Amino acid sequence: AQKVTQAQTEISVVEKEDVTLDCVYETRDTTYYLFWYKQPPSGELVFLIRRNSFDEQNEISGRYSWNFQKSTSSFNFTITASQVVDSAVYFCALSDPNRDDKIIFGKGTRLHILP
Amino acid sequence: DTEVTQTPKHLVMGMTNKKSLKCEQHMGHRAMYWYKQKAKKPPELMFVYSYEKLSINESVPSRFSPECPNSSLLNLHLHALQPEDSALYLCASSPTGRAGREQYFGPGTRLTVT
Repeated sequence: AQKVTQAQTEISVVEKEDVTLDCVYETRDTTYYLFWYKQPPSGELVFLIRRNSFDEQNEISGRYSWNFQKSTSSFNFTITASQVVDSAVYFCALSDPNRDDKIIFGKGTRLHILP
Repeated sequence: DTEVTQTPKHLVMGMTNKKSLKCEQHMGHRAMYWYKQKAKKPPELMFVYSYEKLSINESVPSRFSPECPNSSLLNLHLHALQPEDSALYLCASSPTGRAGREQYFGPGTRLTVT
């Protein structure tokens, strides 16, 4: 069965610190897609990144970086030099191989950046 | 322009009311979705319209009824809701309904059923 685990329910860090959000997934498929979404207090989910199972290159986008490791079934997300605006709930997600149109969300990690 | 709009932002309705939530996207996406999200939980998929074909999450009660007038619009008709239906309702769209495509979400409608 497909599953996404975000073990960190809530994290608080002081502004400018680096923080890593963990994501571990389970799937029997060889082809799959992983995602990260951000949900600020306003409620809208914001797409951050998509990664397919054949591309293990790490990705960096500004202060955001992602570490995809198939050997440990992990897709971790790091925010460097965190800012108060990074405070949000972050969801890791996995494509459902049985339904093209469905993604499986983890339970989310609530991130508080303290000024 | 990756924008999905939803109206209204907030809705309070009684259990005997009939109301509708509206969603619109102008990105030419061919798949649109309704999700329900309870507090401190991830979104749960309710319905998908992909290339004008409806897919239903079978656990969704019949008091929720989706409608897709065209590929840019998606409505969710609500009738005889229960207090436990109070939640954030999110609309999303995707370029296609195929596996691996990202979804773009609207700001949501916060629904309270009294």
